[in-house]
Amino acid sequence: DAGVTQSPTHLIKTRGQHVTLRCSPISGHKSVSWYQQVLGQGPQFIFQYYEKEERGRGNFPDRFSARQFPNYSSELNVNALLLGDSALYLCASSPMDSSQPQHFGDGTRLSIL
Amino acid sequence: AQSVTQLGSHVSVSEGALVLLRCNYSSSVPPYLFWYVQYPNQGLQLLLKYTTGATLVKGINGFEAEFKKSETSFHLTKPSAHMSDAAEYFCAVTHSGGYQKVTFGIGTKLQVIP
Repeated sequence: DAGVTQSPTHLIKTRGQHVTLRCSPISGHKSVSWYQQVLGQGPQFIFQYYEKEERGRGNFPDRFSARQFPNYSSELNVNALLLGDSALYLCASSPMDSSQPQHFGDGTRLSIL
Repeated sequence: AQSVTQLGSHVSVSEGALVLLRCNYSSSVPPYLFWYVQYPNQGLQLLLKYTTGATLVKGINGFEAEFKKSETSFHLTKPSAHMSDAAEYFCAVTHSGGYQKVTFGIGTKLQVIP
C-alpha cells in the first residue's frame, strides 16, 4: 500500500509570495495533520483535519490555512511568505483514534529567498 | 497541556554499546507516548508506542522503551548500537481525546562511532 505522499518535494519562493502544499493520506485514513519542522527542531503542530473539518490548530498566524477534500487529501496554504517560513513541512495521516500512531510523508522542503 | 523534554540534543555511542535516549513528558491526562526516528531528508518513522497496558514496549530494529509514570519518563534503549542507527530520534506525546495534537521534543541526534 502507498504511504503518505506529499508534493512537491522541494520548493523555492520569495518573500511575500504564497504557496500551496499537497498531501495524500494512506488509504482508509480520515485524519490528516500538518507540521512545520525548522532545521534543528522537532515538528511543530499546525493543523489537524478530520472528515473535512478543522479539529485542531497550533500556534501559527492566520497566514497559514488548510483544507481537506472529500477523498481525505489535504492542502496547506501559506500567504505572504516570510524568511522564517523556511522549513520542512510534514503531513501525517492516521485513523481518528489518537492511540494509533501517525504515519508521516517525506515532507516538502520550502526555502524562502 | 502537554510537553516533552529530551535531554541531550546530541548523543555519541560506540558501535556495539548501549543506546540510551532520554525523554520526560508532562501531561495533565494519561499520555500516549511515541518514539520516532528521522533519517536525513526523510519523514518520521514510528519506532514504538505506549498507550495502555504493559509499560515495557518493544519496537522495530531492537529498540524498546519503558513507561515510568512515577518518573514521567519514557526513555528509549537498545542493547547494542549499529552504524545504521545513526539518525535523529524524537519523543512525542498525545492523549485520548477529540483530536490528535501531537507534541514533539526537540530531538536527539545519535552518532554511532565505529
